[in-house]
Amino acid sequence: DAKTTQPPSMDCAEGRAANLPCNHSTISGNEYVYWYRQIHSQGPQYIIHGLKNNETNEMASLIITEDRKSSTLILPHATLRDTAVYYCIVRVYIDSNYQLIWGAGTKLIIKP
Amino acid sequence: ETGVTQTPRHLVMGMTNKKSLKCEQHLGHNAMYWYKQSAKKPLELMFVYSLEERVENNSVPSRFSPECPNSSHLFLHLHTLQPEDSALYLCASSRSGTGDSPLHFGNGTRLTVT
Repeated sequence: DAKTTQPPSMDCAEGRAANLPCNHSTISGNEYVYWYRQIHSQGPQYIIHGLKNNETNEMASLIITEDRKSSTLILPHATLRDTAVYYCIVRVYIDSNYQLIWGAGTKLIIKP
Repeated sequence: ETGVTQTPRHLVMGMTNKKSLKCEQHLGHNAMYWYKQSAKKPLELMFVYSLEERVENNSVPSRFSPECPNSSHLFLHLHTLQPEDSALYLCASSRSGTGDSPLHFGNGTRLTVT
């Protein structure tokens, strides 16, 4: 079962910051949080990942709470092309390998 | 261009057919994966190959048979499938097979079993 909980859908106005929440209250100390997105008719695309500290790259920022029980993905200036399903995933360690446990994601719709 | 190319993009097959899905990665990665994405279900990991050796097989029925001839190519051979096998099949690659580097996905093969 997925270790994350996300809202099923969200809207955001074009040009505004999109803030996507994720709850992972059962996360263990060494488990990373990963974010991917899937645009319609395409495969998932890696966005960002983190353990404890906030992270930023050219696509997004990841804010992780101090207790690590939740996180927020921020798209600073959303465009229509950011419309996609966004997956918040906890990477777990099973049978000597790391695995991503995928959930249902949040369908983000950017409106003009 | 995603760096991971899957063919065909769409496939319709009968339950008695034999077909193969092909995946090629141009990223110099050492690990390749097959995932299944069914409607209203999370992505399911099917197989993992690291340096051309299978390291993960998540209780997938034997009617799905993977093949990894080299680190750039991955196949999924299909035979006597069931209608419930209709789904989007996604190939991915990563630098290492231990799961500690991000996955790069292809755009998938949409499979319909009739």
